[in-house]
Amino acid sequence: GAGVSQSPSNKVTEKGKDVELRCDPISGHTALYWYRQSLGQGLEFLIYFQGNSAPDKSGLPSDRFSAERTGGSVSTLTIQRTQQEDSAVYLCASSSRAVETQYFGPGTRLLVL
Amino acid sequence: KNEVEQSPQNLTAQEGEFITINCSYSVGISALHWLQQHPGGGIVSLFMLSSGKKKHGRLIATINIQEKHSSLHITASHPRDSAVYICAVNNAGNMLTFGGGTRLMVKP
Repeated sequence: GAGVSQSPSNKVTEKGKDVELRCDPISGHTALYWYRQSLGQGLEFLIYFQGNSAPDKSGLPSDRFSAERTGGSVSTLTIQRTQQEDSAVYLCASSSRAVETQYFGPGTRLLVL
Repeated sequence: KNEVEQSPQNLTAQEGEFITINCSYSVGISALHWLQQHPGGGIVSLFMLSSGKKKHGRLIATINIQEKHSSLHITASHPRDSAVYICAVNNAGNMLTFGGGTRLMVKP
């Protein structure tokens, strides 16, 4: 596809369950970002991948959050033992290189009951 | 104090009016972005700039590096411009730090 895609578009889970969110960046983009937008709050950075470099995990809110990027393309964000405060829209973005226009996916809306 | 501050938080305008949204930041940056988010919709990048001024259609973005300030202007506003406009900066790393957004409603 031409843009960034994310799946699932919506996810409802029970507190304590693990969830995996997927991001397919634009082909050829070396930089991939995960952000979170909580209800009533602004956007916040979670994690950043650039090429084969070690990811910048400085935005992850707890050790329940992790992400990987396989083969420099698809990325998965995993949240273990989900809590109600994890409910948010999780957005993925990619760019052709660092400090360049970022293209956002449609997001995954996560609801933890 | 947030690193990126936007004003106003909410703005209502009549169709055809000239609109200005302001963004101030307190950190050194390599670039500043203006983003648009429609209700229930995704985020679209409008501009990325590190100096001067950029124009695209009815949208104009300016930045003053010395004053750490940027403005987004919309000329001849239209109801379809109604959206949340978000200012974001690349600072310490390559990730974005976001302002709180400006919710714009343009009435016909």
